[in-house]
Amino acid sequence: DTEVTQTPKHLVMGMTNKKSLKCEQHMGHRAMYWYKQKAKKPPELMFVYSYEKLSINESVPSRFSPECPNSSLLNLHLHALQPEDSALYLCASSQGFLAGYEQYFGPGTRLTVT
Amino acid sequence: QQQVKQSPQSLIVQKGGIPIINCAYENTAFDYFPWYQQFPGKGPALLIAIRPDVSEKKEGRFTISFNKSAKQFSLHIMDSQPGDSATYFCAVSRMEYGNKLVFGAGTILRVKS
Repeated sequence: DTEVTQTPKHLVMGMTNKKSLKCEQHMGHRAMYWYKQKAKKPPELMFVYSYEKLSINESVPSRFSPECPNSSLLNLHLHALQPEDSALYLCASSQGFLAGYEQYFGPGTRLTVT
Repeated sequence: QQQVKQSPQSLIVQKGGIPIINCAYENTAFDYFPWYQQFPGKGPALLIAIRPDVSEKKEGRFTISFNKSAKQFSLHIMDSQPGDSATYFCAVSRMEYGNKLVFGAGTILRVKS
């Protein structure tokens, strides 16, 4: 099973709402990632967890709060977002955090902030 | 500063043609060069990857050519099919920075039947 699942598929939220995105993998991978992808642009790395610890935060605004409850799950908590945060949010996982490990991407959550 | 420049932005080829997508990078410290394919509504998926000690790698109909001195690498798709129509991203990473990928801008490929 090489699948990364993400829920929900679509999310519409107001600027004062609090919501969460969920990502799950059962491949035994120890590194998990959040990316943001705007339309017709490449994915941009937001956060990396390695062995359930936050390894990289690419200077992401605090209105995005990641959480890794266990080695299979990754959450992204959203609060007080702006319309410019509307994008496709992709989760990925890899066996480890060494360069060269294939990153497996989920289908993404399409987020619209109104 | 763009760490990896990808061209062309879009490409249309006939079925059976050989589309070529190019990427150029500046930092010689990069040591892992993957290509990802993304279909609409899906996440990217790894197609093929190369390390700088190899000049060419083939996997099925996909070939990476790597020119270390020119700091360029390219993707060739042999006998292209309409099902290859997708967006292709090159990426780079450095061993010392772990598995942090920096993506090129992407190329939208359309294969006409």
